[in-house]
Amino acid sequence: SQQGEEDPQALSIQEGENATMNCSYKTSINNLQWYRQNSGRGLVHLILIRSNEREKHSGRLRVTLDTSKKSSSLLITASRAADTASYFCATDRSGSARQLTFGSGTQLTVLP
Amino acid sequence: DAGVIQSPRHEVTEMGQEVTLRCKPISGHDYLFWYRQTMMRGLELLIYFNNNVPIDDSGMPEDRFSAKMPNASFSTLKIQPSEPRDSAVYFCASNRQGATGGYTFGSGTRLTVV
Repeated sequence: SQQGEEDPQALSIQEGENATMNCSYKTSINNLQWYRQNSGRGLVHLILIRSNEREKHSGRLRVTLDTSKKSSSLLITASRAADTASYFCATDRSGSARQLTFGSGTQLTVLP
Repeated sequence: DAGVIQSPRHEVTEMGQEVTLRCKPISGHDYLFWYRQTMMRGLELLIYFNNNVPIDDSGMPEDRFSAKMPNASFSTLKIQPSEPRDSAVYFCASNRQGATGGYTFGSGTRLTVV
């Protein structure tokens, strides 16, 4: 079953704009991860944020985590056409011994 | 490192036939996961191994599905007999105990059962 629900399901922006995707989940977690999937390819790990962290940066990526609201957001700044992909959040649940549960994904299209 | 290697990339088979999907995890990774991705159900965890031992197979949909990991460098997912509803992309991923990063996924096997 899917732990995370992502919002929006699809997002279309112009190159150079920022893209924000949101993820909500249901149970307690050890950490939350974001992955990117290009069409016809496997998932690529982007960033991991632990349950005791509130914000994390990696290059043009900024992730926030609000455990009280059971939600996370992924911000991609200064987007590029190459950022076009599906983005998934995945939760590593407390006590689940390393099982990742994925959300439904956001399809991001960056128009040149 | 070549990453997680899956084969075949594409498989088309007739209903009722046996299908075997293969995965080679990254050397040194002691966790291996099999996921299935469909439009309707998204990414579902089927089974995962730790040190070649199956830990949780509760995601395996039916007895028609079985998975093995005979050694640290090889795993198989078998479907026998296959059905059209098994059509999906099957991913293998690996990870190392204590690793701070996420999973490394293979490129997947796109299975079509006709």
